[in-house]
Amino acid sequence: DSGVTQTPKHLITATGQRVTLRCSPRSGDLSVYWYQQSLDQGLQFLIQYYNGEERAKGNILERFSAQQFPDLHSELNLSSLELGDSALYFCASSVVSGVDTQYFGPGTRLTVL
Amino acid sequence: DAKTTQPNSMESNEEEPVHLPCNHSTISGTDYIHWYRQLPSQGPEYVIHGLTSNVNNRMASLAIAEDRKSSTLILHRATLRDAAVYYCILRGGGGADGLTFGKGTHLIIQP
Repeated sequence: DSGVTQTPKHLITATGQRVTLRCSPRSGDLSVYWYQQSLDQGLQFLIQYYNGEERAKGNILERFSAQQFPDLHSELNLSSLELGDSALYFCASSVVSGVDTQYFGPGTRLTVL
Repeated sequence: DAKTTQPNSMESNEEEPVHLPCNHSTISGTDYIHWYRQLPSQGPEYVIHGLTSNVNNRMASLAIAEDRKSSTLILHRATLRDAAVYYCILRGGGGADGLTFGKGTHLIIQP
């Protein structure tokens, strides 16, 4: 158990819909990262937040957005969903940033029908 | 981030040592070498990292070549639970970005 929690574990929705994935980092960690894992693209970094502020962006689509709240939990919002958005979404946290070890949650499996 | 090259898959027997290679010929002087692994149906987990010197922890050892253009992750006594995809990742010392995962090495452990 990494100490990072993600909800829900599974999510099934339809094309065009909007969903919110939630992540609670390990106690004391200030950075939260979101990753997408699909069969064709592998594990890809989407976005990082540090202490409530956006810190870095990776391959995140404009239809996707995230935020980190004052209690440091984070949400990833996916809108206008397409079939290709079906994937595992992982959240990770670290104490600060840089080369800090990242601790990953168990993931949310999103299926878009 | 600089690129790493790993074999697609490797096979080993249970209770034997496993050496997982990684080539990173374009590594910069400030790049750390990190290893993560992903067990089936789980999120990635940190294994070990180093800069120049060899490193040991309870999970594994990391041997870094003198020119730092390659490294080897060593599992001293593989168990069935070590079957996973192992990722070698370079990270800049001041980087704020997330991890850049390649395809990794799929390690198969035979009983």
